[in-house]
Formats: sequence, C-alpha cells, structure tokens
Amino acid sequence: DTGVSQNPRHKITKRGQNVTFRCDPISEHNRLYWYRQTLGQGPEFLTYFQNEAQLEKSRLLSDRFSAERPKGSFSTLEIQRTEQGDSAMYLCASSRSGGEAETQYFGPGTRLLVL
Amino acid sequence: DAKTTQPNSMESNEEEPVHLPCNHSTISGTDYIHWYRQLPSQGPEYVIHGLTSNVNNRMASLAIAEDRKSSTLILHRATLRDAAVYYCILANSGGSNYKLTFGKGTLLTVNP
Repeated sequence: DTGVSQNPRHKITKRGQNVTFRCDPISEHNRLYWYRQTLGQGPEFLTYFQNEAQLEKSRLLSDRFSAERPKGSFSTLEIQRTEQGDSAMYLCASSRSGGEAETQYFGPGTRLLVL
Repeated sequence: DAKTTQPNSMESNEEEPVHLPCNHSTISGTDYIHWYRQLPSQGPEYVIHGLTSNVNNRMASLAIAEDRKSSTLILHRATLRDAAVYYCILANSGGSNYKLTFGKGTLLTVNP
C-alpha cells in the first residue's frame, strides 16, 4: 500500500513530556499538511510544507509545537512540554501541486492522550 | 475562509439514495467545492469535487446549483460502509496553500 502512513497510531504520555509523530507521505507528493482534530470537531489546519519549506503555520501552532520536513520527504511533528489540551488526533495529508484543484490524501492519524 | 453550512445529521436506509445538502452562499468565483468523508477512527477520505458543472465518479455524484450557492452530494445506493461524517469544503488555488477548512460536517447514519 502506498498511501500516507503515520506513526505511532496511538500515544499516551504524561503532562510535561515531549512527543514526536512521524508522517510518511505518498512518495511523489510535494505538499504535506498537518491537521489536528478534537472529539466532535472537524480537522483544523496546523501547518503546511511544500517540499522541505514550511510555508504557513496556523495560530493554533504554539511555540511548543515544531514541525520539520527534511529533504522534502517524511515529516515530523514535535510537541514539547505536553498539556492535557494537546490531547487530540493529529492527521497528516499529502498532495501534489500543479492543478487548479488539489486532492489531499490523509493518513490514519496519531491519537494523542496526555494524562 | 469561505464557510459552508450542513445539517448536523442525516439518516438513510441501506440501498436507498442519499442526498447530502451544503449551503455556501459566500462562495467566490475561484472556489472549488470539495467533499470529503471520515469513517470512524480513520482519516478523512476524498469523495468528489467540482467547480460549476455536475460531476460523477465511482463513489458519488455532485450536483451544483446554477448560482453555485449550494450543492448536493448524492450517494446513489447507500451501504452500511457509507456511514461516516461528510464534510463540504470550499478551497481554491489562490496562493500556494490549499489548506482545507473543515466544519463539523454531516453525520450520516445508514440503517440496515
């Protein structure tokens, strides 16, 4: 299967710990997005990469959050000093630029629980 | 970001057609209408998109009003596997970021 993969699928951590999530996009896709989804809500945009460049960050992304996409391939999202309010599903999506309309392909998400 | 309005929930019977409405009265001329769905415990999945004309694919049909202020996603024969939250989203290629702005969507229940 060559879809978007995310690891780990689940993460339980204690408040104050750091966590890192990984996203492997579809190989020929140059764009990568991170979203966050809390219970009962639709996903919310966090940040966006085109190749290795991080081009936009949402106001939701506090300075405890950092994302990277070295070499324009996989991406990591790190949360430092986790808080209970960080508990959510973290979704990654990838796409290929160039068309008028863009289809994003989502991974299964990483569910984070901060105790 | 342009907003969409959808019913919170809808119910259908298996093998019957389902019409999921979406209002987007503030749509701009360059906005595409996208539909994604999210099955339980999965990431969202692309369903269909369109600009002005009605569109069909293997999953669904998209009917777009002439003034583009509303659209309807049509599932021709609902199955139990179609039970999901369906999101209607407006997005355009102005600028490089094609971020999707999700609302709460419509929770579709399919009864056997």
